[in-house]
Amino acid sequence: DIQMTQSPSTLSASIGDRVTITCRASQGISNWLAWYQQKPGKAPKSLIYVASSLQSGVPSRFSGSGSGTDFTLTISCLQPEDFATYYCQQYDSYPITFGQGTRLEIK
Amino acid sequence: EVQLVESGGGLVQPGGSLRLSCAASGFTYSTYWMSWVRRAPGKGLEWVANINPDGTQKKYVDSVRGRLTISRDNAKNSLSLQINSLRVEDTAVYFCARQTSRDAFDFWGQGTVVTVSS
Repeated sequence: DIQMTQSPSTLSASIGDRVTITCRASQGISNWLAWYQQKPGKAPKSLIYVASSLQSGVPSRFSGSGSGTDFTLTISCLQPEDFATYYCQQYDSYPITFGQGTRLEIK
Repeated sequence: EVQLVESGGGLVQPGGSLRLSCAASGFTYSTYWMSWVRRAPGKGLEWVANINPDGTQKKYVDSVRGRLTISRDNAKNSLSLQINSLRVEDTAVYFCARQTSRDAFDFWGQGTVVTVSS
């Protein structure tokens, strides 16, 4: 199975900050990587697919990059609604696997 | 508007069974792969199973193979997950999710809670 490791596990930041979350795959996955946002009690929301393509309706302050084993999700100017947990997911091969999550909290 | 609404969760004793359902609307359900993903308390997301559009291909994560069965009814726009021999470690929120042309997920339901406890 491909292991996905996110860092950091928790990130404290302020409104307006630029933040970056990293996701590393245990083996190369080309660009078959997605990012999701989840708030407590809510459905996960798709943000990015194929590593860098923004899902329709997602604000442009979200961006993704990377290929192979190393990927990043960047939020350029944090807004109040961005405080949530973020997950990366590889879909290069089965079983589909997720990172453990990064909780983004208000400093 | 795409909508996925799960139901069927509850409190079950270890060894019991449960059938989860997901009602889909707002899209041509019969043309999409669909998945079940769960999140156990204090843990991250775990993909557990998926099914192709006509129901002839099913894939499972090894940890649940033999105890979980995914199925679909395209006439009723519904997805199901039968869970047998429930274990405490099956306690989780179970989400149904629509897959993209590859295996990412573009829409998710809000989930149904399964608690396995004596």
